[in-house]
Amino acid sequence: DTGVSQDPRHKITKRGQNVTFRCDPISEHNRLYWYRQTLGQGPEFLTYFQNEAQLEKSRLLSDRFSAERPKGSFSTLEIQRTEQGDSAMYLCASNLLGARTEAFFGQGTRLTVV
Amino acid sequence: TQLLEQSPQFLSIQEGENLTVYCNSSSVFSSLQWYRQEPGEGPVLLVTVVTGGEVKKLKRLTFQFGDARKDSSLHITAAQPGDTGLYLCAGGRNAGNMLTFGGGTRLMVKP
Repeated sequence: DTGVSQDPRHKITKRGQNVTFRCDPISEHNRLYWYRQTLGQGPEFLTYFQNEAQLEKSRLLSDRFSAERPKGSFSTLEIQRTEQGDSAMYLCASNLLGARTEAFFGQGTRLTVV
Repeated sequence: TQLLEQSPQFLSIQEGENLTVYCNSSSVFSSLQWYRQEPGEGPVLLVTVVTGGEVKKLKRLTFQFGDARKDSSLHITAAQPGDTGLYLCAGGRNAGNMLTFGGGTRLMVKP
């Protein structure tokens, strides 16, 4: 499978715990994006990387959120001290610098904070 | 505040009917994508339009980009139950290539 891969698909955690999600983009794609989607809404941009550099972060990305892409390949998104309001689908997408803006999405990680 | 407004938000129709979904903005986008999303899955790209006035057809789906590149429409002819899903429009600008999504149109096609 050469698409965008996300792990885990589902995560249930207790409030206050830390969680980490992983995204493996399409192999030749140098841009990687994280989005968050709450029920009944469209995805909202969180942050993106070009290779290993994090180039932009949304105001939605509070201090409890951190994302990395250490070798310019896979990326991780960590949420510290989770809150119930963090419950959402976390989507990863990738594309190629210089290509049109279309992005290809993974299947997402559904986070439920109880 | 959504920069892209989709309408209608919900649509329930019978198999065989035609429908149109609208995506409107006051901002200009360099390109616009349409995605379809099933419950519990990520969005799947249907089409990208980049030129003002552009029309693209994908079987029974017709996509149009407005002349001013601020709006788009998706028309489905003879809808089928397999068309059921959440349809999302997303606009892209050159800087960053990040996408701005509309709120989505949830379509249900009843057999």
